[in-house]
Amino acid sequence: SYVLTQPPSVSVAPGQTARITCGGNNIGGKSVNWYQQKPGQAPVLVVYDDADRPSGIPERFSGSNSGNTATLTITRVEAGDEADYYCQVWDSSSEYVFGTGTEVTVL
Amino acid sequence: QVQLQLWGAGLLKPSETLSLTCSVSGGSFSAFYWIWIRQPPGKGLEWLGESNHGGRPKYNPSLKSRVIISVDMSKKQFSLNLSSVTAADTAVYYCARRDLPAASPFDDWAQGTLVTVSS
Repeated sequence: SYVLTQPPSVSVAPGQTARITCGGNNIGGKSVNWYQQKPGQAPVLVVYDDADRPSGIPERFSGSNSGNTATLTITRVEAGDEADYYCQVWDSSSEYVFGTGTEVTVL
Repeated sequence: QVQLQLWGAGLLKPSETLSLTCSVSGGSFSAFYWIWIRQPPGKGLEWLGESNHGGRPKYNPSLKSRVIISVDMSKKQFSLNLSSVTAADTAVYYCARRDLPAASPFDDWAQGTLVTVSS
């Protein structure tokens, strides 16, 4: 089965840049989606198809994907960005796979 | 703007069948795939399966023998049945939707419901 690996936690100071990685075998050949989940809430799509943003998502959220690593970048981090973030792909063998999740803490 | 509303029993005993229903309002029903996802307390997200109005469901292989997803287009509802539950099935369950291409993201989610399995 296809596995996506994320760092358990990322800490960042307000105003700085947070980078969350998602590792998978040749993930660069897949379309990666990213979700933000705040405590007690359903996940919200923040980036889809590697680097596109749904309407209403700030430009501070961006994505990239190449080789074996996809990255979600949050610039000018705000306190409200504190949440868990999950990457997700579709794999023809495993169907829909989520990453292990990363907790972003704003210092 | 589509809205998904989820309901079902929140407390089950081991070996019982989990049954949840998700109702769709404010958007097309036939143009999407309808999805079930769960999240055990303090853990990550797990895709359980999906179906569309054509009734061709796909399931997570880890659950395939216990899970059934059905769609009622006339009511714009879809349902999850998970048989022979154990404590390991305790989780927040979500319903969501995606567009037709397989790699489409899950762009709308219902507020989840906690299902607890305990004797």
